[in-house]
Amino acid sequence: GAGVSQSPSNKVTEKGKDVELRCDPISGHTALYWYRQSLGQGLEFLIYFQGNSAPDKSGLPSDRFSAERTGGSVSTLTIQRTQQEDSAVYLCASSSTGSAETQYFGPGTRLLVL
Amino acid sequence: DAKTTQPPSMDCAEGRAANLPCNHSTISGNEYVYWYRQIHSQGPQYIIHGLKNNETNEMASLIITEDRKSSTLILPHATLRDTAVYYCIVRVYFSYQLIWGAGTKLIIKP
Repeated sequence: GAGVSQSPSNKVTEKGKDVELRCDPISGHTALYWYRQSLGQGLEFLIYFQGNSAPDKSGLPSDRFSAERTGGSVSTLTIQRTQQEDSAVYLCASSSTGSAETQYFGPGTRLLVL
Repeated sequence: DAKTTQPPSMDCAEGRAANLPCNHSTISGNEYVYWYRQIHSQGPQYIIHGLKNNETNEMASLIITEDRKSSTLILPHATLRDTAVYYCIVRVYFSYQLIWGAGTKLIIKP
């Protein structure tokens, strides 16, 4: 079946502009995660959605970052007033439930802030 | 901070077994060991996980020491397509949190 998809695959923007990154999880998966990966580094947790529960936003680095998940499916990560240090690969993952279930990752969105 | 320690890089000849070590000396009784890999420019891919018993699936084998302070991921017959960064992660069961380190860059050579 279809895996996790993300769009756009690449995004180049100017400092100060807002960007929106989209994630389509695997159909039926109730849990969705956003991570950030800087060059040569491991993944940094950003936010977690599980069903209708309040999201865990503890990993968001600043109030310029926000995310929503509409209808329990598609999620959008928004970065306002982008800075050069926001340049990274943003990865989305989903799992059938939360907790111990295996997370399946999308290909990521490569964001470059000039 | 990551709770695992891995060598930054390793080489392995194509067709041979690749053995990737991981130290997790502070692992707790309710923490599992997970392995993911990330091929260049792709999202991470789940490989295998275990608690205390050795595990095997179609991709790899996971050997966990009796004291659970270290483990080894074994790719039995490495191919060029196994070239990737391999991440060893400890995860509290029933927790969604994965704490990622820098991983091991495995290069398979012809």
